[in-house]
Amino acid sequence: KNEVEQSPQNLTAQEGEFITINCSYSVGISALHWLQQHPGGGIVSLFMLSSGKKKHGRLIATINIQEKHSSLHITASHPRDSAVYICAVSGNQFYFGTGTSLTVIP
Amino acid sequence: DVKVTQSSRYLVKRTGEKVFLECVQDMDHENMFWYRQDPGLGLRLIYFSYDVKMKEKGDIPEGYSVSREKKERFSLILESASTNQTSMYLCASNGLRGLLYNEQFFGPGTRLTVL
Repeated sequence: KNEVEQSPQNLTAQEGEFITINCSYSVGISALHWLQQHPGGGIVSLFMLSSGKKKHGRLIATINIQEKHSSLHITASHPRDSAVYICAVSGNQFYFGTGTSLTVIP
Repeated sequence: DVKVTQSSRYLVKRTGEKVFLECVQDMDHENMFWYRQDPGLGLRLIYFSYDVKMKEKGDIPEGYSVSREKKERFSLILESASTNQTSMYLCASNGLRGLLYNEQFFGPGTRLTVL
């Protein structure tokens, strides 16, 4: 069973495109997290949110608690955005999605 | 900035060897975690610790043990490495006891290959 589902699994975009990655979850949560993992392994936290919307630079994260759904948007994508984006939820424990591999082509 | 470091980026071991993976954090965090990450499976929790000398099993503890003798250091031990333990191992930490599942800070990962 997968408590957190992400789509798409893989995504290729041209530089400058608007990108959306979706996350659905099936458990009760206290917060939803978007993480970024570059080739080589290290994971950094992009957003932690429990309602509404957050923005950081060209990245926007939204969450709809009623629908148990979140989206990560990247505006004006750039090759340096190429990474794996992981959705995770925290409540009684952490549950992780399997990630979306994004490649942005110049 | 929070810094979580892991003892090795890459490690190659033979079947049956005892393997130690070490994680150190410098932000006085109470909670530390060990995950493994495999393609298509995402991150899976092996063990976590919420205090010195305290440990709790995660989802996949079989074949692993942990040690937390000091607050800043959390070690993962493979008593007898097997090929199915070839994986990326990630350590993480967070603070605020009672908010166990707050934002986590991750180390760079150790890619372990067991031959």
